[in-house]
Amino acid sequence: DADVTQTPRNRITKTGKRIMLECSQTKGHDRMYWYRQDPGLGLRLIYYSFDVKDINKGEISDGYSVSRQAQAKFSLSLESAIPNQTALYFCATSDSSVMGAFFGQGTRLTVV
Amino acid sequence: EDKVVQSPLSLVVHEGDTVTLNCSYEVTNFRSLLWYKQEKKAPTFLFMLTSSGIEKKSGRLSSILDKKELFSILNITATQTGDSAVYLCARSNLSSYKLIFGSGTRLLVRP
Repeated sequence: DADVTQTPRNRITKTGKRIMLECSQTKGHDRMYWYRQDPGLGLRLIYYSFDVKDINKGEISDGYSVSRQAQAKFSLSLESAIPNQTALYFCATSDSSVMGAFFGQGTRLTVV
Repeated sequence: EDKVVQSPLSLVVHEGDTVTLNCSYEVTNFRSLLWYKQEKKAPTFLFMLTSSGIEKKSGRLSSILDKKELFSILNITATQTGDSAVYLCARSNLSSYKLIFGSGTRLLVRP
């Protein structure tokens, strides 16, 4: 089983719909992150959380919200999806030594 | 603003060639510089560099950091087709553990 699991792996949704992407981890890490990846733009940080009840905005948080339901779970929501949110979304975790972050397999989201 | 810039954006080489990928960053309260390899989906961790001038090595891959000039290089010797991937670098700083990524270098190794 993967250490960092994202669901769903692929999703197509319509403009204006609410969608939630979920992430769970078995690594016991405190820190969790959501990134999006667009061609030619690398990985951009959306939100991050250093502990349950700790939520911080990243570079591109507009149009997104997150919830850290437990140490092992961090979900990303798009309240009203728009086509330019079509991207590959990654969840990642790290521990307090931070060093390498561990990534989930990604969720490919298409908004039509 | 903190920024990570990678070059070249893409590179095509033949098997056996040696490649050097570059990463420069703009941050004063630097903590670490990380390299990742991304093939089909999730980036996988390669190296973390915190000290200047100390080479990290793993097989045919090596990396070094220059904190004075604010850059790092990733070398791959005797490239193989399996080295084809996007190579990402990222930095973290002292005040925050979040990672800021560059846009990546897409490497294609032809047989």
